[in-house]
Amino acid sequence: DVQITQSPSSLSASVGDRVSITCQASQDIAKELNWYQQKSGKVPKLLISDAFNLETGVPARFSGSVSGTNFTFTITSLQTEDIATYYCQQYAHLPFTFGPGTTVHL
Amino acid sequence: QVQLVQSGAEVKKPGSSVKVSCKASGGSLSPYTINWVRQAPGQGLEWVGRFIPLLDMANYAHKFQDRVTFVADKSTNTASMELNSLTSEDTATYYCATRSSGNFGAFGIWGQGTKLIVSS
Repeated sequence: DVQITQSPSSLSASVGDRVSITCQASQDIAKELNWYQQKSGKVPKLLISDAFNLETGVPARFSGSVSGTNFTFTITSLQTEDIATYYCQQYAHLPFTFGPGTTVHL
Repeated sequence: QVQLVQSGAEVKKPGSSVKVSCKASGGSLSPYTINWVRQAPGQGLEWVGRFIPLLDMANYAHKFQDRVTFVADKSTNTASMELNSLTSEDTATYYCATRSSGNFGAFGIWGQGTKLIVSS
């Protein structure tokens, strides 16, 4: 199975800060990695697909990039509504796997 | 686009089975691969497996493959997951999810979740 190492597991930031989360895959997954946001008690929401494609309606302050097996998710200017747990997920190889999540606190 | 509506919460005893359903509304189930994802209380997301109605084919995560079954009833646009030999570790919210675009591996549409409690 593809193992996903996600870091950090949690972070604390202030409104307006730039926040970055990384996921490293244990093997080549090309760009087949997605990013989700899950607010407390809510259903996960797809933000970015295929490493860097922003889903319709998702604010432009969210972005993704990839270098080899290292994927980075960035919020350029953190807003209060961005407080959530963020997960990456690969679908290049079965079984699909999620990273363990990163909780963003204010 | 299709919406996914799941069955209600369940309380089950250890050793029993549960069936969770996921109904597609606003469109046919057939073009969509239905993924099942679970989340234990306070924990992360875990992919259970997927069912492809067009091919009548399922893929399961290794840890579930001996005790989970996916089916779909095309006449009612409903996909279901049956999980057997329940233990307290199966206590979780179970989601069905599918694509919202051409990317089969990106889950842009989610059901509201079905909470399962396994307790004696």
